[in-house]
Amino acid sequence: DAGVIQSPRHEVTEMGQEVTLRCKPISGHDYLFWYRQTMMRGLELLIYFNNNVPIDDSGMPEDRFSAKMPNASFSTLKIQPSEPRDSAVYFCASSLGRAPQYFGPGTRLTVL
Amino acid sequence: DAKTTQPNSMESNEEEPVHLPCNHSTISGTDYIHWYRQLPSQGPEYVIHGLTSNVNNRMASLAIAEDRKSSTLILHRATLRDAAVYYCILRDGGSNYKLTFGKGTLLTVNP
Repeated sequence: DAGVIQSPRHEVTEMGQEVTLRCKPISGHDYLFWYRQTMMRGLELLIYFNNNVPIDDSGMPEDRFSAKMPNASFSTLKIQPSEPRDSAVYFCASSLGRAPQYFGPGTRLTVL
Repeated sequence: DAKTTQPNSMESNEEEPVHLPCNHSTISGTDYIHWYRQLPSQGPEYVIHGLTSNVNNRMASLAIAEDRKSSTLILHRATLRDAAVYYCILRDGGSNYKLTFGKGTLLTVNP
């Protein structure tokens, strides 16, 4: 199994631009999670889906952030417009039910 | 979410056992104890989890106190590859699928 796949691995953009992060979960997994990691705040859960439906988005920082899961094998996290304080490593994880979560390698986002 | 307390950092020597402690005095009866680790520049990786009984797998052992207010992750023979941040996390066994990460313990393994 290829594991959780995230793209791009690195993204550098300018303030105000739209950023789209992508995630392909492990085949067969029914839960998908988006996390953000910064030095100041550590690892935070942003949102999670079950069977492509958003279950809890209470961690999404503000309306500039949105996440979608159009099908079982693809999810996006979009930031529009981006700001320097959005600079972080964004991780996607997936799981089968309550089984352990498997994390992707992350996308390092830098907003200038 | 119930809170866990871990030392900020620990050191070990290669090929020696490592005992990573975690205190969770406010644990509820339905909380599972999970351990994840994060190697440098990688995503977190599942290590082990348990409810009441001690657990063993190929990576580690988890020793849970009888009152469940503390637990210890045991790496039987540390290698340089085990240098990572180790997170002890409580997860409700009900409908909550969230993992709430704290600061964890940075484990340094000396050659």
